[in-house]
Amino acid sequence: QITLKESGLTLVKPTQTLKLTCTVSGFSLSTGGVGVGWIRQPPGKALEWLALIFWDDDKRYSPSLESRLTITKDTSKNQVVLTMTNMDPVDTGTYYCVHSKDIMTPPYKWGSYYFDYWGQGTLVTVSS
Amino acid sequence: SSELTQDPAVSVALGQTVRITCQGESLRSYYVSWYQQKPGQAPVVVIYGKSDRPSGIPDRFSGSRLGHTASLIITGAQAEDEADYYCNSRDSTGNHWVFGGGTKLTVL
Repeated sequence: QITLKESGLTLVKPTQTLKLTCTVSGFSLSTGGVGVGWIRQPPGKALEWLALIFWDDDKRYSPSLESRLTITKDTSKNQVVLTMTNMDPVDTGTYYCVHSKDIMTPPYKWGSYYFDYWGQGTLVTVSS
Repeated sequence: SSELTQDPAVSVALGQTVRITCQGESLRSYYVSWYQQKPGQAPVVVIYGKSDRPSGIPDRFSGSRLGHTASLIITGAQAEDEADYYCNSRDSTGNHWVFGGGTKLTVL
C-alpha cells in the first residue's frame, strides 16, 4: 500500500525559506519508473505542479518557480524534500506530495506520467 | 497562464451525460490524466492514458482525445460526481507538467 505524508513548518514569514518533507511508504524511491513530485493549491484556486524527481535523481521544475525551488530525495530515509526560497503571501496554499508513474511498462521517462497517489496535503501560510 | 484550458463550470442533470473538455497543443503528443477533487479533500485520479480507470473508479467515467482536445465523459452523472475536475499533462516542451484551470461540475 503506497502512502505519502507531508510534514514541515506550516507558518512561514515573507522572505523565509520553506522546507517540506514527504515521507513515503509502500515503494522505493529508487525503483525504475518512479517519480515523486509536489503540487500546490492556493485557497479556492487551481492545482499547480511544482516539481518532480525521478528514480534516477533527474529533476524537473515549474519554469515559473525554478529559481526558487529545489527537490531532493534520500532513498535510505524514504523521503523527498522540497525547499522554496523567498516565500511570499501568494505562496499560501495546500502543498501535496504525489507518487507518479508512466502509463507504460517498462516506463519511459518521456512517457505519459500521471499522479496516482497523493498525500493528504499540508496547508502552508505565509504571513508576517 | 495555463497551457491547458478548461471551462470554469459545467452543469448536468442527474442521470444525464456530461463532457468536460481540456484543450492544449501538448495533448497532441501526450495523454491527459483527469483528477476529481471534492471540498476539503486531496484530488483523486479518475482517468489516465487512453481511457484507463484506476480500480475503484466507476465505469461511468471515461476519456477521449481528438487532436488537441481531451474530454472526460461521465455517462449517467450521479450526485456524488459533483466536484472540481482538473486535467493534467506535460507541457509543449515535454519537460514539465501543467494543470488546467479546473472545471466545477454541478449535478442538478
